[in-house]
Amino acid sequence: SAVISQKPSRDICQRGTSLTIQCQVDSQVTMMFWYRQQPGQSLTLIATANQGSEATYESGFVIDKFPISRPNLTFSTLTVSNMSPEDSSIYLCSVEDGYNEQFFGPGTRLTVL
Amino acid sequence: EDQVTQSPEALRLQEGESSSLNCSYTVSGLRGLFWYRQDPGKGPEFLFTLYSAGEEKEKERLKATLTKKESFLHITAPKPEDSATYLCAVQETGTASKLTFGTGTRLQVTL
Repeated sequence: SAVISQKPSRDICQRGTSLTIQCQVDSQVTMMFWYRQQPGQSLTLIATANQGSEATYESGFVIDKFPISRPNLTFSTLTVSNMSPEDSSIYLCSVEDGYNEQFFGPGTRLTVL
Repeated sequence: EDQVTQSPEALRLQEGESSSLNCSYTVSGLRGLFWYRQDPGKGPEFLFTLYSAGEEKEKERLKATLTKKESFLHITAPKPEDSATYLCAVQETGTASKLTFGTGTRLQVTL
């Protein structure tokens, strides 16, 4: 299985600022995903990030709020823009291997004051 | 719209007391059903993928089964280290690998 790391592991941010979360994989993967896990809730897909194309966003998520980059097959970033306390959540990246299995990173715990 | 419902929300077992967790799903076409384990403060850990009714997979004390409407995660003789939240997710045909998650079952195994 792929080994996935995320930076930062946690952060506390002020309202109105932006935070960029990095996701690094130890092998080349075609598909990377960004999920959100709000307190006490399950995971919700934000967007799918494929290298060489624009990210595909799920209903309720927009590029202006959650811009994503995918510069190569091992790296992606998610930016949470103009943050509000409602954005406090755990943000997780995941990758799909060649066997339709998805593996998750350790997550970034974001608190917005 | 896909729906995934897990029950119970929480389960407390004594060490050695076997039980099952349930995941009911509603999709137009199932591409795969996934089970994950999530420990506090960590990302989900992949356990199993099931693809068709009747399929079963095992890993140590865990066994996952699948029918056309639900999946069960059987835990045999659990140990305290099995304590975690167990998440079920479905992948629908025609979607690009999107996983729709249930809210999970919080399992606590005591001595």
